[in-house]
Amino acid sequence: EVQLLQSGGGLVQIGGSLRLSCVVSGFTFRNFSMSWVRQLPGKGLEWVSSFSSGDTTYYADSVKGRFTLSRDISQNTLFLQMNSLTAEDTAIYYCARSMGPCLDHWGQGTPVTVSS
Amino acid sequence: EVVLTQSPGTVSLSPGERATLSCRASQSITSTSLAWYQQKPGQAPSLLIYGASSRATGIPDRFSGSGSGTDFTLTISRLEPEDFVVYYCQHYGSSPFLTFGGGTKVEIK
Repeated sequence: EVQLLQSGGGLVQIGGSLRLSCVVSGFTFRNFSMSWVRQLPGKGLEWVSSFSSGDTTYYADSVKGRFTLSRDISQNTLFLQMNSLTAEDTAIYYCARSMGPCLDHWGQGTPVTVSS
Repeated sequence: EVVLTQSPGTVSLSPGERATLSCRASQSITSTSLAWYQQKPGQAPSLLIYGASSRATGIPDRFSGSGSGTDFTLTISRLEPEDFVVYYCQHYGSSPFLTFGGGTKVEIK
């Protein structure tokens, strides 16, 4: 069974940093692209970042230069390092497995609150 | 950049009725790049339809997707109580990598 288990969210001050983790199981991690998607409070879904095949990383313009996507194949873990956080980064963050052009399995979500 | 516009924002229907949800792209896209998701309250989204018309594993056949070019549709043939939630369309492109529509909420009339 494919599972994605997230951790690392919480409350952080404006300008601070957080690292989100997504531990995967039930599939061969290195063979799949992975993504982060966020949902602002009461709003829709916003793509944040993705690994594509060949380990190329992509970022939304809103987080480029502040967020860094990485992964540890040996630990089956995806990371999202978030720096210089602003109030506009407050959201629920989801990791998801990419199956070609769509996201076929999602983590449970982790809330991030950025406050002064 | 492809922008996806979903309509209506909210639709009020009764159980057993047919729901027709629209997703319009700002430019022509390939059908293979269009997916639909369902999101229940307090839960992560889940994949419903990929490639515009293929049901994901375990999705009941009352859900169907269609469309091409700029106009895509998610149809729920007979609404069940658990279907009254929010639906999103999504496009896979190059820049940005993924784009989501604003969502359609299906509420009980």
